[in-house]
Amino acid sequence: GDSVTQMEGPVTLSEEAFLTINCTYTATGYPSLFWYVQYPGEGLQLLLKATKADDKGSNKGFEATYRKETTSFHLEKGSVQVSDSAVYFCALSMNRDDKIIFGKGTRLHILP
Amino acid sequence: GAGVSQSPRYKVAKRGQDVALRCDPISGHVSLFWYQQALGQGPEFLTYFQNEAQLDKSGLPSDRFFAERPEGSVSTLKIQRTQQEDSAVYLCASSPGLAGETQYFGPGTRLLVL
Repeated sequence: GDSVTQMEGPVTLSEEAFLTINCTYTATGYPSLFWYVQYPGEGLQLLLKATKADDKGSNKGFEATYRKETTSFHLEKGSVQVSDSAVYFCALSMNRDDKIIFGKGTRLHILP
Repeated sequence: GAGVSQSPRYKVAKRGQDVALRCDPISGHVSLFWYQQALGQGPEFLTYFQNEAQLDKSGLPSDRFFAERPEGSVSTLKIQRTQQEDSAVYLCASSPGLAGETQYFGPGTRLLVL
C-alpha cells in the first residue's frame, strides 16, 4: 500500500546549520506531498506542500521539491533557528480520498 | 477561536470503560477526519466524513471504535470497552471539502487507559 519513509531522529544541529530531513514515498498514482510540523505543546500544522512532480513547496525558510524520478520529498533549510525545534512529519495524500498517510516523524533539536 | 477544537484534552480511563471524544471542526468545513497517533509514531487514519456521511471507516482498528457526525458538524469518536493498546492521542482534522484541500488539525485528545 501507499507509504512514507523518513529519516529517524532525533536530529541535533547547532543554530545556523544546514538542515536536510530525507523522505521517500511509495504510492500507486500521483500523490500530493506534505511536510507537517508539531511544535512542543501544539497541534499539527501544515508546513508546506507540493501537488505535482517538480513542484517546490516553501514556507518559513523551509523548502522541499517533489521528485518523481526518485520518489522523494526531502525537507531543507539553509540556516536553522532554535525555534525550529519540533517534530517534522512527511506525508502524502492520494487526491481521490484525501486521507493523509504520515511518516513516523523526525524530532529536530536546535542548540543555541 | 476559528480553529478545530477537541475535548477533553486529556482522558484517563480504566480498562473496560467506554469513552467519548468530541471534535468541533472549523465552521463550514465539509470534510472531517479522525486519526490515531501512538507515542513516537505518525498519525494513522481512522475514519472520514463528508458532511454527515461516513465515507471511509477502513482505519478503525476494531468494532469497539465508532464515530458519528449526525448533523454534519460536530463529531464524536466513541471507544467501547477500552483496552491499554487504545492509549494514544486522537486527532481530528477538517477541510473545506474539495479533493486535495489542506486539512486543519485540532490539538488532540490524549487518552490513557490504565
